[in-house]
Amino acid sequence: EADIYQTPRYLVIGTGKKITLECSQTMGHDKMYWYQQDPGMELHLIHYSYGVNSTEKGDLSSESTVSRIRTEHFPLTLESARPSHTSQYLCASSEWDGGFNEQFFGPGTRLTVL
Amino acid sequence: AQSVTQPDIHITVSEGASLELRCNYSYGATPYLFWYVQSPGQGLQLLLKYFSGDTLVQGIKGFEAEFKRSQSSFNLRKPSVHWSDAAEYFCAVGKYSGGGADGLTFGKGTHLIIQP
Repeated sequence: EADIYQTPRYLVIGTGKKITLECSQTMGHDKMYWYQQDPGMELHLIHYSYGVNSTEKGDLSSESTVSRIRTEHFPLTLESARPSHTSQYLCASSEWDGGFNEQFFGPGTRLTVL
Repeated sequence: AQSVTQPDIHITVSEGASLELRCNYSYGATPYLFWYVQSPGQGLQLLLKYFSGDTLVQGIKGFEAEFKRSQSSFNLRKPSVHWSDAAEYFCAVGKYSGGGADGLTFGKGTHLIIQP
């Protein structure tokens, strides 16, 4: 079944730790995205990718970095986590033909940095 | 820059009653508009989208939305809500940059509560 997966679902970690949030999709989509969502707030686009070896910064400045070595995989890394990074991170993917296509979202990772 | 406003943070509706969630957007060109629903602990699911053509669009789960250019609105409606409709609803507008379609700009969401 085609789907989009995120691990871990919940992560509680101490300040200064390096973390990687995983996102994988089985739909063969070229375009992938990371959104950040604070409680009760809108989603903000922080990173996106058009395909392998493509990464772009989104609307909201983020200290995180991303990589796209394989089509199906789009991990997000924080080199040194801080309490200000506490948030929910949602990964999404879509077909890419130059226009707008439905974005399919994963269940999210809820990150808490102590 | 484009923006989306959802004026109602919370809405409470009785089960079986009709529903309308408001969305206003700001965008210089013809907008690409979306409504998503987020249930607790879940990702976002697309309810419906407007790209062009008929201004009344039908979506899943009995939802519909009407695009009104003169009012810059894209309100979501359902004639009779069910308890399972309780969730967070997000309106979004698609963003273009020089390279093509990039991502979505979301509103802050409306939390829908269903009373028995």
